[in-house]
Amino acid sequence: DTGVSQDPRHKITKRGQNVTFRCDPISEHNRLYWYRQTLGQGPEFLTYFQNEAQLEKSRLLSDRFSAERPKGSFSTLEIQRTEQGDSAMYLCASSPGQGEGYTFGSGTRLTVV
Amino acid sequence: AQSVSQHNHHVILSEAASLELGCNYSYGGTVNLFWYVQYPGQHLQLLLKYFSGDPLVKGIKGFEAEFIKSKFSFNLRKPSVQWSDTAEYFCAVNSGGGADGLTFGKGTHLIIQP
Repeated sequence: DTGVSQDPRHKITKRGQNVTFRCDPISEHNRLYWYRQTLGQGPEFLTYFQNEAQLEKSRLLSDRFSAERPKGSFSTLEIQRTEQGDSAMYLCASSPGQGEGYTFGSGTRLTVV
Repeated sequence: AQSVSQHNHHVILSEAASLELGCNYSYGGTVNLFWYVQYPGQHLQLLLKYFSGDPLVKGIKGFEAEFIKSKFSFNLRKPSVQWSDTAEYFCAVNSGGGADGLTFGKGTHLIIQP
């Protein structure tokens, strides 16, 4: 499969725990994006990388959220001290560059109990 | 800041009916426009995109959209829908060279009755 891969598909965690999600983009895509989607809403942009550089962060990305893309390939999104409001689908997308569309992964569904 | 408005949250049509889903955006500069579809249980897929040139854009599966700059609109159309078009449809916009994060609308849930 040469699409965008996300792991895990589902994560249930207790409030206050830390969680980490992984995204593997399409290999030749140098741009990688994270989004969050809650029920009945469209995806909301969180952050974006060009290679290993984090170029843009939404105000939605609180201090408890951190994203990395250390070698310009896969990326991780960590949420510290999870809250019930963090329950959502976390989507990753990648793009080869300007003027191109984005390819989305299937997402990681986080449930905080 | 950009915003996207999709007028209809739920649309129910019969097979072979014509479809038009509304999308309006607010942004004063140059924009890039997208329509994505999410079939039940599947990931978001790109239907079509507009960056420049002909404002009538043709996408996959018989969909098309028209960019009307004066109306800040990018409505999605299909002349004859099929049961398999049942899905969630999202309009999205970004600015600049197209590398920025997308701003999505809330989506339209389309149900096609056989």
